Amino acid sequence: AQSVTQLDSQVPVFEEAPVELRCNYSSSVSVYLFWYVQYPNQGLQLLLKYLSGSTLVKGINGFEAEFNKSQTSFHLRKPSVHISDTAEYFCAVITVGGATNKLIFGTGTLLAVQP
Amino acid sequence: EAEVAQSPRYKITEKSQAVAFWCDPISGHATLYWYRQILGQGPELLVQFQDESVVDDSQLPKDRFSAERLKGVDSTLKIQPAELGDSAMYLCASSFGVGQPQHFGDGTRLSIL
Repeated sequence: AQSVTQLDSQVPVFEEAPVELRCNYSSSVSVYLFWYVQYPNQGLQLLLKYLSGSTLVKGINGFEAEFNKSQTSFHLRKPSVHISDTAEYFCAVITVGGATNKLIFGTGTLLAVQP
Repeated sequence: EAEVAQSPRYKITEKSQAVAFWCDPISGHATLYWYRQILGQGPELLVQFQDESVVDDSQLPKDRFSAERLKGVDSTLKIQPAELGDSAMYLCASSFGVGQPQHFGDGTRLSIL
């Protein structure tokens, strides 16, 4: 079975500072990896995805993530955050070649950007 | 604004009552998902449809929950009777198919009194 661990429930950071949100996964088979962002009382918006190819993936809003197979990690980074980046961020995986497309989510990390 | 349409946005009802949620996926998306998100947690899949057929409903509490997608387009999720523990955000998502990114609606926030 697959699982996703987001070690930090909350990450406070000052505006214009860099940030890294950590994600580790556990799976006996290959997976696709995703980061979603959720603003208050809204659904989830896809930030970026890793399906194959280059391990450094660039997404929307200046975010990027790097897939590290040996460390089973997919950490999300942004070099300079804005107040508007304050939201809940979810890491998720899907089994490659699985019969279903079920996303397995982590518990989320609240990014709190302070002025 | 989300392209997956869900209604209502908010629902408050008393326990033991029936409640229903509606979802209209992105046009052309064959795969539709219902997720439940309890406050402070990530979403968990309740049911997945491929066209009008259920692909995965292993986490759906079938004694009280039901879901249908009769014509393979829009879908309804029903709870009867509702319990206090059902208070959560119910999210609908759709994708072109297996392995494709899922696009989410804005969800229905359910509160059971």
